Formats: sequence, C-alpha cells, structure tokens
Amino acid sequence: QSALTQPRSVSGSPGQSVTISCTGTSSDIGYYNYVSWYQQHPGKAPKLMIYDVSKRPSGVPDRFSGSKSGNTASLTISGLQAEDEADYYCCSDAGSYTYVFGTGTKVTVL
Amino acid sequence: QVQLQESGPGLVKPSETLSLTCGVSGYSISSDSHWGWIRQPPEMGPEWIGTMYHSGSTYYNPSLKSRVTISVDTSKNQFSLKLTSVTAADTAVYHCARRPSGRNWFDPWGQGILVTVSS
Repeated sequence: QSALTQPRSVSGSPGQSVTISCTGTSSDIGYYNYVSWYQQHPGKAPKLMIYDVSKRPSGVPDRFSGSKSGNTASLTISGLQAEDEADYYCCSDAGSYTYVFGTGTKVTVL
Repeated sequence: QVQLQESGPGLVKPSETLSLTCGVSGYSISSDSHWGWIRQPPEMGPEWIGTMYHSGSTYYNPSLKSRVTISVDTSKNQFSLKLTSVTAADTAVYHCARRPSGRNWFDPWGQGILVTVSS
C-alpha cells in the first residue's frame, strides 16, 4: 500500500474555485468507488466532507464536490471562503477491508 | 452524538509497546460499526492502522500487521491499540475513529493524542 498522491498546496481568492487531485492506482481509486475526503483544521480532528466519491454528509456545504476519473479522484471547493483554509486528505478503499490515505493538501485562502 | 476520546502515555521508549485506549460515548460499541485507529506522523498524511468489529474480526495495515493488535472491551465501551517494538518512525498523532458497517469512510474521529518514541 502506497500513499495516494496529492499536491502539497493549492490556493485561491475568496469566491474562486480550487480543485485538489488525489492519484492512486488501479488497485484502489481506479477499482473502488469508495473515495472519501476529510478536512482538518489545526489541532482539530479530521472531518468527513465527501464519501463514496461524490456524496456529501448532512451539514457539509454544497460548495464541496467530489469526482473521479480513472485512478484520480478530485475535490472541488467552489466559492472559496476563509473558513475553508485547512488541510485536506483523500482516502480510498484498497481491498480486503484495508484503506489508504493521501499525502495531504494545504488549502490557502488568499 | 458519537464522541471518541483517546488516552494513554505520550512518551514511549524505543523497543517498548505503545498502548492507547479510545473511549466511546453517545453510542454503543456493540452496535453495527467498526472501530479503528489512524495515525498521522508529523507533517505527513494519515496512515490507516487497522479496524475491528465488536465481534472480534480485525483488519490491519499489511505494513504494520506483525506489530499491531486492536481489541474491544464492550463492558467499558472502549477499544484499544497495542503496537509493539516501536521506533522513532512510530512517532505520530494517533486518532481513533468509527467506520459504519457496510460503509467505507471514517466518522467521527477522536481529537488525537501525540505519542513520541524517544529514550
């Protein structure tokens, strides 16, 4: 199991859209439609933002959306807001009830 | 509302065993969920350690499998992690989390506890 690859950082101005990529392999992201995304503010517990590639839990703003193509999943934040500044991590089912996480992306709101 | 809270020593010596406990409140640990551990080394992404169903079924990260044991204590509504023969590479913030049965995500997570491996 190798960590999923994410860009180290992305940034955008308030109101803009940013997209975070998460690249895996044909054994994890490419095989399963079970990608989840987590937001983590400093010193806080990670929070589930997206599950099953594109579904939003209750209470998560609809400006957060997820998608997948081949071995790469993506999280898009539309209408960026100051409170969206945080670290974001992807996670994929890797088979046999095992899971692999991404390397993490820091989102900066300019 | 489900809440999880990790507890245990924040400092462990090399070659010794790391032992942590996760207390669960607002939800029965015997309900239809898996309970797991995820760690975050400094300045790195999370690493899934393993999960356990209350009935005893366990699933571990292949890279840690030889050193990890996760167990559940239904009488105390808590579950535990043991990681043997630790080295500095095991220094991390350790989170406990719930994975609903039949689902492939983790929610909620505990706040996390920093465990440093050092002599």
